[in-house]
Amino acid sequence: TQLLEQSPQFLSIQEGENLTVYCNSSSVFSSLQWYRQEPGEGPVLLVTVVTGGEVKKLKRLTFQFGDARKDSSLHITAAQPGDTGLYLCAGGNSGNTPLVFGKGTRLSVIA
Amino acid sequence: DTEVTQTPKHLVMGMTNKKSLKCEQHMGHRAMYWYKQKAKKPPELMFVYSYEKLSINESVPSRFSPECPNSSLLNLHLHALQPEDSALYLCASSSGVELYGYTFGSGTRLTVV
Repeated sequence: TQLLEQSPQFLSIQEGENLTVYCNSSSVFSSLQWYRQEPGEGPVLLVTVVTGGEVKKLKRLTFQFGDARKDSSLHITAAQPGDTGLYLCAGGNSGNTPLVFGKGTRLSVIA
Repeated sequence: DTEVTQTPKHLVMGMTNKKSLKCEQHMGHRAMYWYKQKAKKPPELMFVYSYEKLSINESVPSRFSPECPNSSLLNLHLHALQPEDSALYLCASSSGVELYGYTFGSGTRLTVV
C-alpha cells in the first residue's frame, strides 16, 4: 500500500511569514499533485509535478518534486490570510489507479 | 464547462429515510469518484466509476449504493444510514491525464439524525 506522509499536520503563522509543507513517501509516484481545500468546499487543484527535480511556481507558491519522485514540498512566501486552508498532497500512478492522498496540512494565517 | 456540480449542498435525513446525492459533469471525463470526508480529515475514497462501470468499491457498506446512469451523471443512493455517516460527500471527475488532476465538486454536507 502506498502512503503519503504530510508534515506538519497543523501550522499557524502570522501574515508575511514564509512556510514549507512536506509530503513524503517510500514509494515512487508518476506524479504529485497539490490541492487546497477551504471550509465547506471541495479541494481545488493547485499544481501537478511529473518530473523528478521539477520546480513549479504559482505566484507566491513554489512546488518541488524530489529527484527520486518520492517526495514533494510546497513553499509559501509572505503568507496571507487568503492562504488559509487545508493543503493536500496526492500521489498519482499511471493508468486508472486512484490518487493516494496525504492526511493534509491545516494552515492558518493570522492577519 | 469546467465544473462538477453536486446537489443538494446540504441534506438532513433520518435513519429510516432514503435519499440520493447527485453529481454532474460536462467535461467529457470518463472517470468519476465518490469520496467521504469527516471534519478535519482528508477525503476517503468510496467508489470509482470508469467508463460508466464500477471499477473500485473500497469496502463501503451496502447502505451506500452508487449508480452511473450515463457518462455525465453519478448518483449515490442512501438508505438506513447511521449518525456516524454524517460527513461531507465529495464527487470528483478526471480525464485520466494525470497532469490535469481531479476536479472536485463543492460537496454535499450530510447530517444523519
